[in-house]
Amino acid sequence: QVQLVESGGGVVQPGRSLRLSCAASGFTFSTYPMHWVRQAPGKGLEWVAAISYDGGSTNYADSVKGRFIISRDNSKNTLYLQMNSLRGDDTAVYYCARSGPERGTYRGLDYWGQGALVTVSS
Amino acid sequence: QSALTQPASVSGSPGQSITISCTGTSSDLGVYNYVSWYQQHPGKAPKLMIYDVSNRPSGVSNRFSGSKSGNTASLTISGLQAEDEADYYCSSYTSSSTPYVFGTGTKVTVL
Repeated sequence: QVQLVESGGGVVQPGRSLRLSCAASGFTFSTYPMHWVRQAPGKGLEWVAAISYDGGSTNYADSVKGRFIISRDNSKNTLYLQMNSLRGDDTAVYYCARSGPERGTYRGLDYWGQGALVTVSS
Repeated sequence: QSALTQPASVSGSPGQSITISCTGTSSDLGVYNYVSWYQQHPGKAPKLMIYDVSNRPSGVSNRFSGSKSGNTASLTISGLQAEDEADYYCSSYTSSSTPYVFGTGTKVTVL
């Protein structure tokens, strides 16, 4: 069955960096676009970034553009989110999600991980 | 890109039908049929309920249906059940600099 498992969350000081990982299994990872979505405590969902199946195309929310980098290693079935210059408003649970069930990056997110909590605080 | 607008809360009694609206603009809902709906129970990851405006993924109950008219999309839950009590979010592709946007979220309460 499809599984997405995030790791790398934790407490980090403002201005510092953190990298999240998302290990995928149960499907052909290299053929699916992938996303990161975050949710601040008690708040709604916010889309963060997406990457094409081969990593050749990436897109970001304006709120993280220039600070976050989404990438993937298809040989390791792993998605990454490098987060730089972190701010307090980046505090959230970060979910990785798969595009699906139809082909196309933005038609729906059909599988989600359990989430990784990132807390930005001094 | 602003979030799509949803009512903060909707409630209904068991067995009733409820509808959640999602209002966007001519940059998203008005031009694209890439509307999705997600259900999220407290402390859990979101679950895809509807994609491409009105399609249900495999395994999702046919009590859930979606539609769209102009800049507004809707999710209808018929035969409301206690397990439907959750937060619901719409989403859409947009032509703005942020290509994907979620709605503000609606808390559904089963009375």
